[in-house]
Amino acid sequence: NAGVTQTPKFRVLKTGQSMTLLCAQDMNHEYMYWYRQDPGMGLRLIHYSVGEGTTAKGEVPDGYNVSRLKKQNFLLGLESAAPSQTSVYFCASSFGGGKETQYFGPGTRLLVL
Amino acid sequence: GQQVMQIPQYQHVQEGEDFTTYCNSSTTLSNIQWYKQRPGGHPVFLIQLVKSGEVKKQKRLTFQFGEAKKNSSLHITATQTTDVGTYFCAGVSGYALNFGKGTSLLVTP
Repeated sequence: NAGVTQTPKFRVLKTGQSMTLLCAQDMNHEYMYWYRQDPGMGLRLIHYSVGEGTTAKGEVPDGYNVSRLKKQNFLLGLESAAPSQTSVYFCASSFGGGKETQYFGPGTRLLVL
Repeated sequence: GQQVMQIPQYQHVQEGEDFTTYCNSSTTLSNIQWYKQRPGGHPVFLIQLVKSGEVKKQKRLTFQFGEAKKNSSLHITATQTTDVGTYFCAGVSGYALNFGKGTSLLVTP
């Protein structure tokens, strides 16, 4: 099992460009999450999904959109990238919500110029 | 909303010294989880505490959950260079987890 994988590993964007980050998990988990990690800020939840076809906003959702068309995939979109979105993005999944262990992907490093 | 705070933000120790990080919540926690992130890596689950006053050990790591379920601590005995990383606590917030900002541990040989 690959666990949680993220594509791409690293990306450089210019301000205003768009991109999609892909997260895939092969553990048949219902819940999936997108976090961003910035120095000194810990992990902040962007959006999450409690099952296929569902999405919900987290702590810092502005400037991002998500989709969960298939249970194993969770996509994070940036429609018009801004320098403030320079960050490391982690995807995670869990069997259930809240109390369940979260399994993280290796992360995507995004630099917006 | 729930706030989870961790102290200290950074800790630098000599190998062999002990280390403790503290986690405090603004609200009562149903449970608390601890994760470790190695430099350049991703967070990895360490343990979950559920019961008031619970104490769990993993080799040199001791985890405690406060009696009021509003605080927790992680203590590492005789640190090793392999303990380097950032330690996060997280409390349940609805369907998700609310992570503290973490404590970064540096261990000098």
